[in-house]
Amino acid sequence: GAGVSQSPSNKVTEKGKDVELRCDPISGHTALYWYRQSLGQGLEFLIYFQGNSAPDKSGLPSDRFSAERTGGSVSTLTIQRTQQEDSAVYLCASSATSADTQYFGPGTRLTVL
Amino acid sequence: GQSLEQPSEVTAVEGAIVQINCTYQTSGFYGLSWYQQHDGGAPTFLSYNALDGLEETGRFSSFLSRSDSYGYLLLQELQMKDSASYFCAVSTVAGTALIFGKGTTLSVSS
Repeated sequence: GAGVSQSPSNKVTEKGKDVELRCDPISGHTALYWYRQSLGQGLEFLIYFQGNSAPDKSGLPSDRFSAERTGGSVSTLTIQRTQQEDSAVYLCASSATSADTQYFGPGTRLTVL
Repeated sequence: GQSLEQPSEVTAVEGAIVQINCTYQTSGFYGLSWYQQHDGGAPTFLSYNALDGLEETGRFSSFLSRSDSYGYLLLQELQMKDSASYFCAVSTVAGTALIFGKGTTLSVSS
């Protein structure tokens, strides 16, 4: 079946602009996670959605970052007033339940000029 | 703070066996996962340990010692396609986000 998909695959933007990144999880997966991976680094947790519960936003680095998950499926990560340090690969993962293996999408490579 | 330590680079030749170690210091522990990531690709799940001992999946095995806060990934009969980055990741509570190490770059040569 289809895996986790993300769009766009690449995004180049100018400093100060807003960007939206999209994640389509595996159908039926209730848990959805956003991570950020800087060059040569591990993955840094950003935000986690589980069903209809309030999201865990503890990893968001600043109030410029926000995310939504509509209808328990698609999620959008929004970064307002982008900064150069926001440049990274943004990865989305989903799992069937909160206790199951996380499956990752291919990521969106964000470059802020 | 929470941290996972793993070697930054490992090199080996085809057919060899390599072990990638991971030590962790986290507030709570639920399980240790291993992911493989090829350049430009998505991390893919390899193995998971919640209990002490060895889990074997084909050429790959993973080990956990909770008392030592230590685990390793063992790759046997190495192939060129195994050249990739390998990440250990800890879940501190069931279902929450994973805490990742910085990854180990494995280079397999012929």
